[in-house]
Amino acid sequence: KNQVEQSPQSLIILEGKNCTLQCNYTVSPFSNLRWYKQDTGRGPVSLTIMTFSENTKSNGRYTATLDADTKQSSLHITASQLSDSASYICVMTGTASKLTFGTGTRLQVTL
Amino acid sequence: NAGVTQTPKFQVLKTGQSMTLQCAQDMNHEYMSWYRQDPGMGLRLIHYSVGAGITDQGEVPNGYNVSRSTTEDFPLRLLSAAPSQTSVYFCASSYSNTGFYGYTFGSGTRLTVV
Repeated sequence: KNQVEQSPQSLIILEGKNCTLQCNYTVSPFSNLRWYKQDTGRGPVSLTIMTFSENTKSNGRYTATLDADTKQSSLHITASQLSDSASYICVMTGTASKLTFGTGTRLQVTL
Repeated sequence: NAGVTQTPKFQVLKTGQSMTLQCAQDMNHEYMSWYRQDPGMGLRLIHYSVGAGITDQGEVPNGYNVSRSTTEDFPLRLLSAAPSQTSVYFCASSYSNTGFYGYTFGSGTRLTVV
């Protein structure tokens, strides 16, 4: 069964610090992997997309990496800001364009 | 503003009642879909549509109906609400269902069935 597991479930960091969120997957084959940011009470918004052949993709302070050998992706947030407080969801597009969503990591950035 | 509009934002239903969750997009997207989001679980696909007049079932379709009479609108109908349908519902649209273009999500409808 295709699965996407994210860790940690939740994370609290101080403003200005960096953090890395993990996504382990069993989806195979897949065409692309996206990271979404979901603010409380809002729908998810796409941050990055990587095809199966890409290793890294950046969007401002967000950098996603993909290691197809270990079936892992990570999202690195640099110099965190209070507005980064949200849930981050890893989503993979597999066979027949079926999406598999991770359960998300809830990030809280504090002063 | 362009995007996906969902109404209502909040709804409380009694068991057995029916209702329709509205979803409209103004981006001329062919692909539209409905998801539910429950605590500790990833979003799960309820129904989807690849164009006007075409709908299909997703992962958890039981208890829900959809129709797609226009490109813009994709309502979700709960036929006879049950407490298990308490959830947050998201409508999403995209140029296609390949995932490459990304999905635009609405802001969600929080439904409570008592």
